[in-house]
Formats: sequence, C-alpha cells, structure tokens
Amino acid sequence: AQTVTQSQPEMSVQEAETVTLSCTYDTSESDYYLFWYKQPPSRQMILVIRQEAYKQQNATENRFSVNFQKAAKSFSLKISDSQLGDAAMYFCAYRSGDTNAGKSTFGDGTTLTVKP
Amino acid sequence: KAGVTQTPRYLIKTRGQQVTLSCSPISGHRSVSWYQQTPGQGLQFLFEYFSETQRNKGNFPGRFSGRQFSNSRSEMNVSTLELGDSALYLCASSSGQLSYEQYFGPGTRLTVT
Repeated sequence: AQTVTQSQPEMSVQEAETVTLSCTYDTSESDYYLFWYKQPPSRQMILVIRQEAYKQQNATENRFSVNFQKAAKSFSLKISDSQLGDAAMYFCAYRSGDTNAGKSTFGDGTTLTVKP
Repeated sequence: KAGVTQTPRYLIKTRGQQVTLSCSPISGHRSVSWYQQTPGQGLQFLFEYFSETQRNKGNFPGRFSGRQFSNSRSEMNVSTLELGDSALYLCASSSGQLSYEQYFGPGTRLTVT
C-alpha cells in the first residue's frame, strides 16, 4: 500500500518570503501522479499543482513549484512571495496510474501560517 | 462550469440513525470519490464511483455505502450511525481520465450525538 508522509505539521512564513513544504511517499509503482491540495479555513479543498511521475521536469504554477525527486520519493512544494491568502492546510496526495487501484492517498497535512 | 456541490452542508444525527449525503459533480465528470476527514485520522478514502459502478473502495465497514446515478450524481449512505462517524465528508469529482485531478466540494459536516 502506498503511504504519504508530511513531516511538518505546522510551518510559518513571513509575507513575501519563500517557504518549502515537505512530502515523501512510498510506492512500488512506476506510474503515478502526485498532487498538492490547499484547504483554507473555509474548508474547500483546492488543487494547487500536479506532477506526473513520468515527467522529469518539475511542475510550476505561478508562485507554486515542486521539487520532484523520484528516486528519493520526495515531492516538496515551494511557495514564493508568500501572501496572506496562502494561509491554509496543505495536503500532499498520491494517486496510482492504475485506474483500478486508483484511490488517492493523502498525507496528514501541513498547516501554513503567513505572518504580515 | 459550476463546481462540485454537496448537500446538506451541515447535519446533526443521533446514534443509530442513518444518513444520506448527496454530491453533484462538475458537469461532464464521470468519477466521484468520497472521503472522510477527521482531526485524528486525516483524510480517508471511502469509495469511488465511475459511470455508475463502484471502481475502488477504502477500508470502511459495510455501514458505509454509496451509489451513482446516470447523471453522475452520487449519494453516500451511513447506517446505524456511531459517534465516531462525526466528520467532514468530502466529495471529489474528476473526469475519470488519466490526469486524475480531483475537484472537491465544500463538504458535509456530520455530527452524531
């Protein structure tokens, strides 16, 4: 079974600074997808960024980028120029590329605080 | 496109009762997944439906069941409610294609007393 570990329960960052959230996963599969989701206090979970395991290039979405290290099974999220609206719980998630095994496994989350 | 909608948003039930939660996915999406979110257990996968068929199932007792209709709307049912079933129940839809991007609804907050 796949596992996802987020070792930082809480992180804080100063507004306009950069922060990196860590995520490691364990799998024996070669075809899979990794995601970062954001859950603000209003509770609506929002997709932040996606990475396909077969792609070597790290995904980037505006101020959000990932550092995907497949051999190390590491998938960290970097938030640049942090804004107050980035404050939320962030979840790392794994999804198998096998349709019939395709449940998403989530980490326990990292609560990010942004200080003005 | 309208987002994922879940009804009701809040629910209070008594132990032993049953409850039905509803989820309407994004138009055109054929996959609906259900998750239970609690402070102690985090996000746990319940089941996924694709084209009216249960495609994947998590490790929950048989009291938790679901179904999907031809219009892709999905319902989740919990029978014989227990205090431990108090949680935020999240529904997520996706196109069912390989990208597997999921779009979440606002959730239903279930409180069992």
